Amino acid sequence: QQQVKQSPQSLIVQKGGISIINCAYENTAFDYFPWYQQFPGKGPALLIAIRPDVSEKKEGRFTISFNKSAKQFSLHIMDSQPGDSATYFCAANLQTGANNLFFGTGTRLTVIP
Amino acid sequence: SQTIHQWPATLVQPVGSPLSLECTVEGTSNPNLYWYRQAAGRGLQLLFYSIGIDQISSEVPQNLSASRPQDRQFILSSKKLLLSDSGFYLCAWSMGSASGNTIYFGEGSWLTVV
Repeated sequence: QQQVKQSPQSLIVQKGGISIINCAYENTAFDYFPWYQQFPGKGPALLIAIRPDVSEKKEGRFTISFNKSAKQFSLHIMDSQPGDSATYFCAANLQTGANNLFFGTGTRLTVIP
Repeated sequence: SQTIHQWPATLVQPVGSPLSLECTVEGTSNPNLYWYRQAAGRGLQLLFYSIGIDQISSEVPQNLSASRPQDRQFILSSKKLLLSDSGFYLCAWSMGSASGNTIYFGEGSWLTVV
């Protein structure tokens, strides 16, 4: 059972446009929601993360919007650039245990010039 | 600062041959350690995780095994590789504390079984 559902599977955006990736979860015990960015042939790297006590977090062109009541969160990439082309994974973390980070299935973003 | 090293970066192995991928973490003590596999264009599949020396948990039945002989060393092994073992293998670590349990990944190892 997929703990975190991510969509879309792939996304093509024009340079300068807004990229939006959505994730949903069911387990209300999740208390930390990171996003990872992975370039081809590289390991995923932490991009931005949010806790459920805030509704939005912004770092540069990247923004997480968090809707606790709907159990949904999304990544917005403003002014998308070709260098943003990568696979993005959302994740949700349980408060306890070592095996407590659950990943979405990934979104392959392509930003065309 | 903490760093994670994983090697080899690429590997081509014949079916039936053994495998050993190694991973070490520097700059921290008693980390949680993980091995993930990623098939081409696919998501992240957790294979093993470890909370301490010789404490290994397996997430999926498979042809692979893991060992943690030292606090910051994690090894992925196989006695006889299968074609289906091909993929991108990622070692990762996180702090032992639970809250905000960010996982940090290594650069990965490409394994092609031929």
